[in-house]
Amino acid sequence: DAGVTQSPTHLIKTRGQHVTLRCSPISGHKSVSWYQQVLGQGPQFIFQYYEKEERGRGNFPDRFSARQFPNYSSELNVNALLLGDSALYLCASSLGQILEAFFGQGTRLTVV
Amino acid sequence: QKEVEQNSGPLSVPEGAIASLNCTYSDRGSQSFFWYRQYSGKSPELIMFIYSNGDKEDGRFTAQLNKASQYVSLLIRDSQPSDSATYLCAVNMANAGGTSYGKLTFGQGTILTVHP
Repeated sequence: DAGVTQSPTHLIKTRGQHVTLRCSPISGHKSVSWYQQVLGQGPQFIFQYYEKEERGRGNFPDRFSARQFPNYSSELNVNALLLGDSALYLCASSLGQILEAFFGQGTRLTVV
Repeated sequence: QKEVEQNSGPLSVPEGAIASLNCTYSDRGSQSFFWYRQYSGKSPELIMFIYSNGDKEDGRFTAQLNKASQYVSLLIRDSQPSDSATYLCAVNMANAGGTSYGKLTFGQGTILTVHP
């Protein structure tokens, strides 16, 4: 069975641009969460979607948005990119809202 | 006070020894606890989860949870050089309304080095 898949794996953007990151959860999983991980730190929670509804939002500015589609895949959008948005963006899927979360390989975003 | 605290290390142990990784958390209402392993440049990999007080064993790994003292630990027996990685403790905490959803709060991770 395929695990969590994210695309793209690497991305270079210029300040002020916007970016869309994509995630496909494990088959049968209905919850998708997004995390940002900067070097030397643990992942920081951005959003959780369960059954296509936003169930949680972390302490990130409104430039960050996300959605979940009927097939449970998800997109994370970041507008007006800043240098500080450079990080590894991780998607995690789980069966239910609270159960064990499995991460994809991540998208490495570099803002120049 | 950080919500989830780990000693950043590095923790260095010889091959074959027991590695002990510790984590404390601030929210008494926390319900579930996870250990992830992250190799350099890779994404976190779930290795253990625990929900109830006591010990949970899975192969060479044992997770220990003490809710009264608000700590969770991970023991790795017969450590191997391939265990060298950053170990992340993650906690599912109740939100302000007292309910819980899928947010995981992570510690900063402990770097483990197993030397031959």
